[in-house]
Amino acid sequence: ETGVTQSPTHLIKTRGQQVTLRCSSQSGHNTVSWYQQALGQGPQFIFQYYREEENGRGNFPPRFSGLQFPNYSSELNVNALELDDSALYLCASSSGTGGGQPQHFGDGTRLSIL
Amino acid sequence: GENVGLHLPTLSVQEGDNSIINCAYSNSASDYFIWYKQESGKGPQFIIDIRSNMDKRQGQRVTVLLNKTVKHLSLQIAATQPGDSAVYFCAEKIQGAQKLVFGQGTRLTINP
Repeated sequence: ETGVTQSPTHLIKTRGQQVTLRCSSQSGHNTVSWYQQALGQGPQFIFQYYREEENGRGNFPPRFSGLQFPNYSSELNVNALELDDSALYLCASSSGTGGGQPQHFGDGTRLSIL
Repeated sequence: GENVGLHLPTLSVQEGDNSIINCAYSNSASDYFIWYKQESGKGPQFIIDIRSNMDKRQGQRVTVLLNKTVKHLSLQIAATQPGDSAVYFCAEKIQGAQKLVFGQGTRLTINP
């Protein structure tokens, strides 16, 4: 069974640039959620994708957007990068959106904004 | 509230002892809870979960206890090993919502 994989592992960008992060879900999982984890903090929910549509969103501005593909993989796009966007971005997959299904995380993409 | 809180930000235990990590949650509408372990440079790793219709669940060397009356969750790790050193997060899921709400985490350190 293949777990959640994310790419790239590290990325350095400058303010104002755009970035795309990628996630392959665990086999058998059809739901992908993205989280932002600042240093020393717990992960914060960005949004979730199910059946290629956004299925819930946290308190993040519209410059954070995403996609889900027919094979359930997903992308997180962030436009107009700001210094505060520096964080670990985590992708989690699960088998469904209802309660009782654990979300399994990848090892994240460490994004640094200069 | 948005964050699930933790009583202790750091916990240091002797190897072989039992560890207890506590968590307070604020939303009575939460119906599902998870404990994750996060090692340096890695993503959160699922440890154990529990639904709100249960008050105890056991796994391999771990037990989760849920007290809905006082909105308290705990993770017990038996015979703590050096490999248990990590940051532990509890997370809650509100019924009908998609997101997990995490606390800030507890760092568990094992003394030889």
